[in-house]
Amino acid sequence: KAGVTQTPRYLIKTRGQQVTLSCSPISGHRSVSWYQQTPGQGLQFLFEYFSETQRNKGNFPGRFSGRQFSNSRSEMNVSTLELGDSALYLCASSLDLTDTQYFGPGTRLTVL
Amino acid sequence: GNSVTQMEGPVTLSEEAFLTINCTYTATGYPSLFWYVQYPGEGLQLLLKATKADDKGSNKGFEATYRKETTSFHLEKGSVQVSDSAVYFCAHAGNMLTFGGGTRLMVKP
Repeated sequence: KAGVTQTPRYLIKTRGQQVTLSCSPISGHRSVSWYQQTPGQGLQFLFEYFSETQRNKGNFPGRFSGRQFSNSRSEMNVSTLELGDSALYLCASSLDLTDTQYFGPGTRLTVL
Repeated sequence: GNSVTQMEGPVTLSEEAFLTINCTYTATGYPSLFWYVQYPGEGLQLLLKATKADDKGSNKGFEATYRKETTSFHLEKGSVQVSDSAVYFCAHAGNMLTFGGGTRLMVKP
């Protein structure tokens, strides 16, 4: 079974731009969660989607948003990028939220 | 609130040494507990898990036991290898995965 895939793997943007990251979960997994990883803050939860509905949201500003499609693929969007948004963004999928989450390789976002 | 505390690294060991990475948590109820490993430039890989008290998770020579009395889930390995060098994260599951800060392990030949 193919693992979680994320595209693109690397991204460079400038302040004020917006960016969209994509995540394809493991086949059959309906829950997709997003996390931000930075050296200073560690791993922080962004949001979780299940069957196209956002069920949980972390403590991030409204510039961070996401969605999930009927095939469970998910995207997250960050608008008006700030330097502090530079991070590794990780997507994880699971059968449901309380099941084991499997992570993708991440998208490394650099904001200049 | 929910939290996970890990020992700070880096932990530097010689090959074949014994490894312990401490992890304690605070949570409501008895959530599933996990250890994930992250190699340079990669995402997180599930190392092992335990879903209830007194469960022992094990994989690739690593072990951890879910201790509800001490709210701990310490990671151990009897003999580390250079290839075990990575960052290890303890986590518990609730509405989201809550992670510890990570412990970097460096194993020298």
